[in-house]
Amino acid sequence: KNEVEQSPQNLTAQEGEFITINCSYSVGISALHWLQQHPGGGIVSLFMLSSGKKKHGRLIATINIQEKHSSLHITASHPRDSAVYICAVGGPGTASKLTFGTGTRLQVTL
Amino acid sequence: DTGVSQNPRHKITKRGQNVTFRCDPISEHNRLYWYRQTLGQGPEFLTYFQNEAQLEKSRLLSDRFSAERPKGSFSTLEIQRTEQGDSAMYLCASSPFRTSGGANEQFFGPGTRLTVL
Repeated sequence: KNEVEQSPQNLTAQEGEFITINCSYSVGISALHWLQQHPGGGIVSLFMLSSGKKKHGRLIATINIQEKHSSLHITASHPRDSAVYICAVGGPGTASKLTFGTGTRLQVTL
Repeated sequence: DTGVSQNPRHKITKRGQNVTFRCDPISEHNRLYWYRQTLGQGPEFLTYFQNEAQLEKSRLLSDRFSAERPKGSFSTLEIQRTEQGDSAMYLCASSPFRTSGGANEQFFGPGTRLTVL
């Protein structure tokens, strides 16, 4: 079993739909990261959180430390949101190296 | 541009050749990470540096792989005697390190895509 599990693996939505991507992890963490990767490889950090909820524009990330679960929500989805969304956790030690999920491929159509 | 840069962006080589990749982190970041990503998978940790010291290496990093960060600024990742299984995207990330502890956001470079024929 992977230390970081994401669901769904693939997601297709119509423009305007509310989207949720889930992440569960099995190890102790210092923080959980949500990342966005577009075709071609570049990775952009969306959120880093260790408790509660963060919001940036149409994106919302929540985390439940007790349940070891996080969700990424996209409100009013748009085709430009099409990308791979990756959940990653930083370990409890000082290294802060990341352990990644396999990603959720999102396609938003008109 | 003050982001993380990586060179080359693409590298095609023949099996058995040596390759070297370079990463230039954000200038004030003293932590530098190397990750490897194969098609359809999430990235995997390879190694990281704090300043010039290499503090941890993954078991994925066989003896054909070596990484350096000689002056605590840019880093190089060398793969000797490349194999087809080395084909992947090699990602570099940097972050600040606060002695007060806590997690730090990592900033990723565009990656170097290696194809071994």
